[in-house]
Amino acid sequence: AQKITQTQPGMFVQEKEAVTLDCTYDTSDQSYGLFWYKQPSSGEMIFLIYQGSYDEQNATEGRYSLNFQKARKSANLVISASQLGDSAMYFCAMREFSYGNNRLAFGKGNQVVVIP
Amino acid sequence: DAEITQSPRHKITETGRQVTLACHQTWNHNNMFWYRQDLGHGLRLIHYSYGVQDTNKGEVSDGYSVSRSNTEDLPLTLESAASSQTSVYFCASRDSREGPGELFFGEGSRLTVL
Repeated sequence: AQKITQTQPGMFVQEKEAVTLDCTYDTSDQSYGLFWYKQPSSGEMIFLIYQGSYDEQNATEGRYSLNFQKARKSANLVISASQLGDSAMYFCAMREFSYGNNRLAFGKGNQVVVIP
Repeated sequence: DAEITQSPRHKITETGRQVTLACHQTWNHNNMFWYRQDLGHGLRLIHYSYGVQDTNKGEVSDGYSVSRSNTEDLPLTLESAASSQTSVYFCASRDSREGPGELFFGEGSRLTVL
């Protein structure tokens, strides 16, 4: 069963606008972590932000914030004040901490294009 | 600076040939992973290792093998390459002893099987 769901089609966003990327997840673990990665057209994978299941505050890293709604099992990424360099594929991933699991399961990604 | 490197970055091979993709990291991370990335599938885990002499199958391990003889390297071998294995392959590592454990990725290896 798919653990991470990213279903939005490709998105176009105006420069300087905010964009929200949806991510829902499925787990029965009480302890887990959620990650977002960015993959620009050059291909490298860049870690953006992390949210732990027990974190009381939503994670923020610069222009990136995570809208974590635990009861709904969603961890949406918000990019504020979009820049042209934000054009990329964005992946949501989850690690379930039970039984010493160190694996990350990834979603299929959201494509974002920032237009001037 | 510590890093993770993959080689070759691009490879074209023929069906049935054996191919090995190298992955080398200098962070002294004990956890290493191989993923493949295909359009419409995101990243899927092939094999992973939690330390020397430890290897485990991921969700798409058929046709692949790995070995971990030291901390730094986790080579991925395709025993008999198939066209379905045309993909971009990413190696990643993490330190299991610190923090939430984000993965650090190599630059990727693009493999084409003709």
